[in-house]
Amino acid sequence: SQKIEQNSEALNIQEGKTATLTCNYTNYSPAYLQWYRQDPGRGPVFLLLIRENEKEKRKERLKVTFDTTLKQSLFHITASQPADSATYLCAPFRGQLTFGSGTQLTVLP
Amino acid sequence: DAGVTQSPTHLIKTRGQHVTLRCSPISGHKSVSWYQQVLGQGPQFIFQYYEKEERGRGNFPDRFSARQFPNYSSELNVNALLLGDSALYLCASSLAQAEAFFGQGTRLTVV
Repeated sequence: SQKIEQNSEALNIQEGKTATLTCNYTNYSPAYLQWYRQDPGRGPVFLLLIRENEKEKRKERLKVTFDTTLKQSLFHITASQPADSATYLCAPFRGQLTFGSGTQLTVLP
Repeated sequence: DAGVTQSPTHLIKTRGQHVTLRCSPISGHKSVSWYQQVLGQGPQFIFQYYEKEERGRGNFPDRFSARQFPNYSSELNVNALLLGDSALYLCASSLAQAEAFFGQGTRLTVV
């Protein structure tokens, strides 16, 4: 069955450092993959979409990579800020979005 | 412009009861999807509707049903509620196969 795994532990980093979040998937060939941010008690908010024929996508301080051979996507936040603290969800798409369980990121001042 | 709106925001129901959750998509969006999110987990796909037709169904029992109306708004119905149905129910709208825009969710508590 399809499986999506994100960093199993919560991630704590110091302000100004780069946060790297991992998304691995198995038994799956997504046409594209999306990353979302979710704050407590709120719905997810779309951040970035990367297609299967793209290796890397950037948006301001965000960068996502997509390796279809490794079946992995990496999500980077550079120059992290306390306001970046949230849960980040990986969502591969093939027919419909399927979400991972998310990685809780805390940026310490 | 209004985003995706869901109602109600919070709801408490008793086991065995029935519940109807409502969603209004962003104007122009014809696709609506429903997700269930329990604490500590990512959203789990329940249904997708596009142009009033069901386009996908997740691994949920037949107690869960949905429909989409001519104005593209949608309802999610859950019958014979169980304690395990307590969750945040999220609605998302989108333009074809693009990013999904989520509502704030309906927090359902079954007691």
